[in-house]
Amino acid sequence: RKEVEQDPGPFNVPEGATVAFNCTYSNSASQSFFWYRQDCRKEPKLLMSVYSSGNEDGRFTAQLNRASQYISLLIRDSKLSDSATYLCVVNQGNNDMRFGAGTRLTVKP
Amino acid sequence: EPEVTQTPSHQVTQMGQEVILRCVPISNHLYFYWYRQILGQKVEFLVSFYNNEISEKSEIFDDQFSVERPDGSNFTLKIRSTKLEDSAMYFCASSGDLGEQFFGPGTRLTVL
Repeated sequence: RKEVEQDPGPFNVPEGATVAFNCTYSNSASQSFFWYRQDCRKEPKLLMSVYSSGNEDGRFTAQLNRASQYISLLIRDSKLSDSATYLCVVNQGNNDMRFGAGTRLTVKP
Repeated sequence: EPEVTQTPSHQVTQMGQEVILRCVPISNHLYFYWYRQILGQKVEFLVSFYNNEISEKSEIFDDQFSVERPDGSNFTLKIRSTKLEDSAMYFCASSGDLGEQFFGPGTRLTVL
């Protein structure tokens, strides 16, 4: 079983749509969780941390379910500039950081 | 805004040669990381570093790899004897206590 699994997509959505990405992780001792976005041939950029209580940053909402070992990211009112690959990142402990393969999103006019 | 920098942006080397990839983390960060990303594949964790020693390393980080923080600002990754399959983008990252990592722009390593 992969350490961090994501649906690779691609997700093709129109502007203004709401889209949700899921991520599961295998190591139950994992301590912290993050969403990053990566544009083509660029470095990953932090989108948001994921907290147990769930957290929101503008159009973005992240959720964590420790019991199910599941993380989600919801993007509301998609913009063209949201087109990117979204990476789920899990700290398995002691800063052993594992990335999912990413979910590709394309937002179309 | 502080940022992580990496040099060189592109390194071409012959198989069997040693390469050193350099990174300058954000100045008040205490945790440092190296990752690689083979073209078209996912980002792979290599190593994390804290308090002048390795915290954790992955199965990829074998004896061919080493890291060093030679002074107060630089963080380096050395590959002793490069192989064709080492060709990839290598990203350095640093973080503070919250674990939120900031990545450098990467060094593209091409092994011929």
